[in-house]
Amino acid sequence: GDSVTQMEGPVTLSEEAFLTINCTYTATGYPSLFWYVQYPGEGLQLLLKATKADDKGSNKGFEATYRKETTSFHLEKGSVQVSDSAVYFCALGSNYGGSQGNLIFGKGTKLSVKP
Amino acid sequence: ETGVTQTPRHLVMGMTNKKSLKCEQHLGHNAMYWYKQSAKKPLELMFVYNFKEQTENNSVPSRFSPECPNSSHLFLHLHTLQPEDSALYLCASSQDVTGRETQYFGPGTRLLVL
Repeated sequence: GDSVTQMEGPVTLSEEAFLTINCTYTATGYPSLFWYVQYPGEGLQLLLKATKADDKGSNKGFEATYRKETTSFHLEKGSVQVSDSAVYFCALGSNYGGSQGNLIFGKGTKLSVKP
Repeated sequence: ETGVTQTPRHLVMGMTNKKSLKCEQHLGHNAMYWYKQSAKKPLELMFVYNFKEQTENNSVPSRFSPECPNSSHLFLHLHTLQPEDSALYLCASSQDVTGRETQYFGPGTRLLVL
């Protein structure tokens, strides 16, 4: 079945460091890909998404490119801030078969940014 | 953000209690979801409703009973829960269930079962 694998955390960076959180997926069909972020004490909120191969999603300085050839959707940010400290979830939106319409989430990567 | 609201935000209950979680979305969406988020486990989809009809029940124990009276409201009725049911319960909504639409989440209800 469809699945998402993202790098295990926690990740600790200094302010202004470069961030990469790896995400790879397995899917039948042509899924949409999402990154969600969960700040402490809150629900998940969409950070960015891409709906087809080679699309780049971007928001708040974060970027991720839908790479069909490597089945990846890695999250990057050139210069992180303390306020980026949160848990980041990669997710796949299936449009095929029994799980159509459902989001399949990775386990989440906790990011801590130190001043 | 008041698109999806959940009440209560925190709930402590004994194993013999009956309680209900409420979710309301103000986004005009047609699909609503219940998720369970436990420490060290991936987010687990529990139920999906599309146009008030349940379209998915992810092998959830019968002590969890969902109710969707209309497209804007979703309830999760709880009875005779176990301590391992302690978790953050998240509600979400989306325009439809194509898999391409963004899901909008509420802040969650933090449940502790004693």
